[in-house]
Amino acid sequence: AQSVTQLGSHVSVSEGALVLLRCNYSSSVPPYLFWYVQYPNQGLQLLLKYTTGATLVKGINGFEAEFKKSETSFHLTKPSAHMSDAAEYFCAGLIYNQGGKLIFGQGTELSVKP
Amino acid sequence: GAGVSQSPSNKVTEKGKDVELRCDPISGHTALYWYRQSLGQGLEFLIYFQGNSAPDKSGLPSDRFSAERTGGSVSTLTIQRTQQEDSAVYLCASSLPPGGKSYEQYFGPGTRLTVT
Repeated sequence: AQSVTQLGSHVSVSEGALVLLRCNYSSSVPPYLFWYVQYPNQGLQLLLKYTTGATLVKGINGFEAEFKKSETSFHLTKPSAHMSDAAEYFCAGLIYNQGGKLIFGQGTELSVKP
Repeated sequence: GAGVSQSPSNKVTEKGKDVELRCDPISGHTALYWYRQSLGQGLEFLIYFQGNSAPDKSGLPSDRFSAERTGGSVSTLTIQRTQQEDSAVYLCASSLPPGGKSYEQYFGPGTRLTVT
């Protein structure tokens, strides 16, 4: 069965520090991969996606992620954290020949300290 | 343009009552999804509609849950005889048909359901 795993349910960084949120997938077929952000009492907003092509993808708000097939990973990074980045982040995978349903990781809550 | 909208934003109901949750997808999006977000289970897929095809109901947790999509647009998720474990945020998303270059799902703000 396909699964997506996020390491660390809570990550805390200082403002200006590197943000690294980890995501690994388990699938016999490399899925399409997404990172979503959720601010309190809001829906999910797409940060970035990997489908095909370049393995380093850039998203909104200065975030980027790199698809590494050999490591079955799709970690999310941002060079310098901002207070407004505090939110919950979800990694998700989609198997393209199995409809469009997303399989989500457990989520990582990011806190940013001043 | 208008995004995905859901109503109501909050719903409190008594155990055993039926509830209906509504989702209005983005115009032109033929695919519509329901997910549930709860503390214990995270984000779970419930059901998926794509055009006129039979829906993928594989994520519905019990036969108390059903959904329909009328006219290929608005969808209603119905929960019968609600239980306390049904308390969660129900999220709706829509997208262009999966395939090609478009796999992005756009999410609504959710309906927070509380069963007392």
